[in-house]
Amino acid sequence: EAEVAQSPRYKITEKSQAVAFWCDPISGHATLYWYRQILGQGPELLVQFQDESVVDDSQLPKDRFSAERLKGVDSTLKIQPAELGDSAMYLCASSRGRNEKLFFGSGTQLSVL
Amino acid sequence: RKEVEQDPGPFNVPEGATVAFNCTYSNSASQSFFWYRQDCRKEPKLLMSVYSSGNEDGRFTAQLNRASQYISLLIRDSKLSDSATYLCVVHGSSNTGKLIFGQGTTLQVKP
Repeated sequence: EAEVAQSPRYKITEKSQAVAFWCDPISGHATLYWYRQILGQGPELLVQFQDESVVDDSQLPKDRFSAERLKGVDSTLKIQPAELGDSAMYLCASSRGRNEKLFFGSGTQLSVL
Repeated sequence: RKEVEQDPGPFNVPEGATVAFNCTYSNSASQSFFWYRQDCRKEPKLLMSVYSSGNEDGRFTAQLNRASQYISLLIRDSKLSDSATYLCVVHGSSNTGKLIFGQGTTLQVKP
């Protein structure tokens, strides 16, 4: 069964450092999402791509977060500089199209010290 | 008001019990509804889509009430392995097809 690949699985960093997460969606999935999930809460959408275009980044803190999906396939989410409040699970998901069911990667658990 | 709201629980039930969760949503134009299951520190996994006519998958039944803008999940004959957090997902109010997650409802099934 095809899966969404994410790396790294865990990341520990110090505040003010830069971190990057990578995601490879299921082949053929045009829509890619990055979600952030704080313990005890539901996932919150950071950015949504349709192919290589950003269609929603309204909740992305653009002063420190950036995301790209240059060729419309895999994607990178970057945080620079990391802050203590960024500690969370970062989940990548993909779907065949908008409004369709999401398939998640295993996530990156980020701890900022 | 949040776009998608769930009672976080926890719901503590004995094995074999029937338990139901509700989820309310604010966007009356929402077209897509899902229930996801999430185990501790794992990624969410699709449990079932929710269709207008309601749908059933084994011990799980999902229903949609458009008039009152809520969806429900019913679990019959609860198993220990059903212990998890159940996330409600609804198409949000933006025109981008954004899917909004509820906070999740935690279920603990006890022996």
